[in-house]
Amino acid sequence: ETGVTQSPTHLIKTRGQQVTLRCSSQSGHNTVSWYQQALGQGPQFIFQYYREEENGRGNFPPRFSGLQFPNYSSELNVNALELDDSALYLCASSKQGLALYEQYFGPGTRLTVT
Amino acid sequence: QKEVEQNSGPLSVPEGAIASLNCTYSDRVSQSFFWYRQYSGKSPELIMSIYSNGDKEDGRFTAQLNKASQYVSLLIRDSQPSDSATYLCAVSPHLLNTGNQFYFGTGTSLTVIP
Repeated sequence: ETGVTQSPTHLIKTRGQQVTLRCSSQSGHNTVSWYQQALGQGPQFIFQYYREEENGRGNFPPRFSGLQFPNYSSELNVNALELDDSALYLCASSKQGLALYEQYFGPGTRLTVT
Repeated sequence: QKEVEQNSGPLSVPEGAIASLNCTYSDRVSQSFFWYRQYSGKSPELIMSIYSNGDKEDGRFTAQLNKASQYVSLLIRDSQPSDSATYLCAVSPHLLNTGNQFYFGTGTSLTVIP
């Protein structure tokens, strides 16, 4: 167990709806990164939050947004859901937003869009 | 677009044998390298990190890095059926850059046959 928690575990939404996923980082970690993992693929970087600010973003549209709170927990929000958004959403925490630091994943949220 | 290439497998080895997993990456400035293990339906679990050329050993696992050849590998000695999983290679560009994102390969599926 990494100490990174995510909620909910599973979620089913309808196309066009909005969803919020939550993540609590491991104790001592102040950076949270979000990844999307489609079936049979490696995780794809969405964005990272450090000191409550977005600290890097992958190739995802603006309808993917996030927040980080003072306790270092984080949310991922996705608006106008599309069928292709169906995936495992992974949160990873690390000590700082530096490449030097290892990232530890939470259990993930399985999102299904119908 | 930074690319991380892995042989998708499946790779099958008998119990007790050495499993060799390979990964190549395209970005020459990559500095941090990681191996994750992912069981079916679960999130990735960090196994090894390596930052310098050469070998790094941790129990039955050895990571090997050759930056000149842009190649990183993972050896699993005395393979056990519990090692059966997908192994993900991850690469990060700069040690001291912020907003580090990990670039993942698609993973190699390993089956250890009892």
